[in-house]
Amino acid sequence: EPEVTQTPSHQVTQMGQEVILRCVPISNHLYFYWYRQILGQKVEFLVSFYNNEISEKSEIFDDQFSVERPDGSNFTLKIRSTKLEDSAMYFCASSGSYNSPLHFGNGTRLTVT
Amino acid sequence: ELKVEQNPLFLSMQEGKNYTIYCNYSTTSDRLYWYRQDPGKSLESLFVLLSNGAVKQEGRLMASLDTKARLSTLHITAAVHDLSATYFCAVDEETSGSRLTFGEGTQLTVNP
Repeated sequence: EPEVTQTPSHQVTQMGQEVILRCVPISNHLYFYWYRQILGQKVEFLVSFYNNEISEKSEIFDDQFSVERPDGSNFTLKIRSTKLEDSAMYFCASSGSYNSPLHFGNGTRLTVT
Repeated sequence: ELKVEQNPLFLSMQEGKNYTIYCNYSTTSDRLYWYRQDPGKSLESLFVLLSNGAVKQEGRLMASLDTKARLSTLHITAAVHDLSATYFCAVDEETSGSRLTFGEGTQLTVNP
């Protein structure tokens, strides 16, 4: 079964550094998302992306964050200057249509020291 | 702001027993999803509920949606150890795309 793949599985970075989290959504999907889950807490929406542009973003997704689909397969989340509170599991997801369930990747655990 | 509340947050039950997890939400929506998460793993889609009165069943799990009461339930029948996981409900805010607001999750432990 096709799946969403994310790399790396774990990223450790120092505060103030830039990180790029990478995702390969399911190939025929059109909607792409980033969510995050701080350890032990609920999953939070960051951003949705459709037709090569952001369709919606949450309050968490401030100017430090950006997303890009640089080619036909990758979908990236960049955090420009990481803060300690950015430490979380970041999940990429994709879906084929408006009402279909999101398929989540295995996540990237980001640790900011 | 959409609020999604699950209860209980922690549930320990014996194999063979039945139980229900509740998911209340604060806005009108007729799109609700249930996900399962094993420790350190991703979120696995269990059910998609897209209309009032929707009922879906898969194995020992059954989910329902009452949009008038703004309530979804996940019923577990004759629990087995393999069902131990955290279960999240998530409500779609019906804005552009699919912006899910998740509940806090119910950590289910099924004891032999």
